[in-house]
Amino acid sequence: GENVEQHPSTLSVQEGDSAVIKCTYSDSASNYFPWYKQELGKRPQLIIDIRSNVGEKKDQRIAVTLNKTAKHFSLHITETQPEDSAVYFCAASRESGANSKLTFGKGITLSVRP
Amino acid sequence: GAVVSQHPSWVICKSGTSVKIECRSLDFQATTMFWYRQFPKQSLMLMATSNEGSKATYEQGVEKDKFLINHASLTLSTLTVTSAHPEDSSFYICSARVSGEQFFGPGTRLTVL
Repeated sequence: GENVEQHPSTLSVQEGDSAVIKCTYSDSASNYFPWYKQELGKRPQLIIDIRSNVGEKKDQRIAVTLNKTAKHFSLHITETQPEDSAVYFCAASRESGANSKLTFGKGITLSVRP
Repeated sequence: GAVVSQHPSWVICKSGTSVKIECRSLDFQATTMFWYRQFPKQSLMLMATSNEGSKATYEQGVEKDKFLINHASLTLSTLTVTSAHPEDSSFYICSARVSGEQFFGPGTRLTVL
């Protein structure tokens, strides 16, 4: 099955700096890679996703890059703000239909210092 | 986006009792729903895939007789934790996929005393 590794486990940045979170996956057939933000006690919220037919996707301050050859993908947050502080999870799946399963990384706690 | 609800949002029960958690798709039909468990400061672990009108598919290591899943309609899946014990205390979250995106319910915090 798929195995998703996420590192580092914690990251602290100064407000305004950039944050980069990296994930690797093992299943070369995976073709869907979402990133979720989860605040304490809340549900995971999709912040951006990428499919294997593109190498990069950007949405305002957030971008994701995918390297299929190396089987890794990264989340980039620019101009970080205190409200970006949360746990971020990467995930991977074969997007073959409604019942395709997501495998999550262990998550990273991002702290943005005011 | 699609809306998934869960009920209850939290529950406290005594050891040995059973607890039922409901997951509903409010504005779409879901033939498949997913049940996750999340322990404090850990990731989401898939427990089972709930299929409407058929048996659920459980992940390795998840006891199907302890975690009963029923998906009787296209908008409702239920998870029953039978004979709950303190180690079952966790955050249980359901989800459904719509157009390739997975939407999560708000989660149910289960505390077993």
